[in-house]
Amino acid sequence: AQKVTQAQTEISVVEKEDVTLDCVYETRDTTYYLFWYKQPPSGELVFLIRRNSFDEQNEISGRYSWNFQKSTSSFNFTITASQVVDSAVYFCALVPIKAAGNKLTFGGGTRVLVKP
Amino acid sequence: DVKVTQSSRYLVKRTGEKVFLECVQDMDHENMFWYRQDPGLGLRLIYFSYDVKMKEKGDIPEGYSVSREKKERFSLILESASTNQTSMYLCASSLRGPSGNTIYFGEGSWLTVV
Repeated sequence: AQKVTQAQTEISVVEKEDVTLDCVYETRDTTYYLFWYKQPPSGELVFLIRRNSFDEQNEISGRYSWNFQKSTSSFNFTITASQVVDSAVYFCALVPIKAAGNKLTFGGGTRVLVKP
Repeated sequence: DVKVTQSSRYLVKRTGEKVFLECVQDMDHENMFWYRQDPGLGLRLIYFSYDVKMKEKGDIPEGYSVSREKKERFSLILESASTNQTSMYLCASSLRGPSGNTIYFGEGSWLTVV
């Protein structure tokens, strides 16, 4: 069985501050995918990134960056120069590559509040 | 763009009522999912379907059933709603393929059982 832990339930920052969301996972599978999703107030989960366990290279997309460290089973997400539009709940998720059905295991989510 | 549409955004039902939550996707995806979202617990899988008339229990199937008569439509049924089923319900879909295909979500249905 898999487990994904997002220890921070809520983070509040002022606009333009950087914010890092932690994600720690447990799995016995050696190959897996990790995801981050954003859930704005509208409710729909928006896909942000997928990373497979073979690739530990960090990734940057605009103000978003991800730090994957297999040695510590962590896949942290940083928003640089946060904006009010970044206010949302963010979910980390995992699925073993060999698992049938593409069924993700989600963390509990981190609510980010960016104040103007 | 992939579109997953949940027909009802907000519902209020009485204890013991039968509740139907409907979901339609327009991208010919084989896989469809129903998740339940509760604060601090994240999303938990209720049921999964990988083809028409095929279904598989997820992590918390008790008190729920599903129906998939057409590829694009996946319904979640609460046979006898209870107050502990008050929650946000999210439908999702993806291509079949290997695990890791992007999953697309609907906007969610807020269900209150009184």
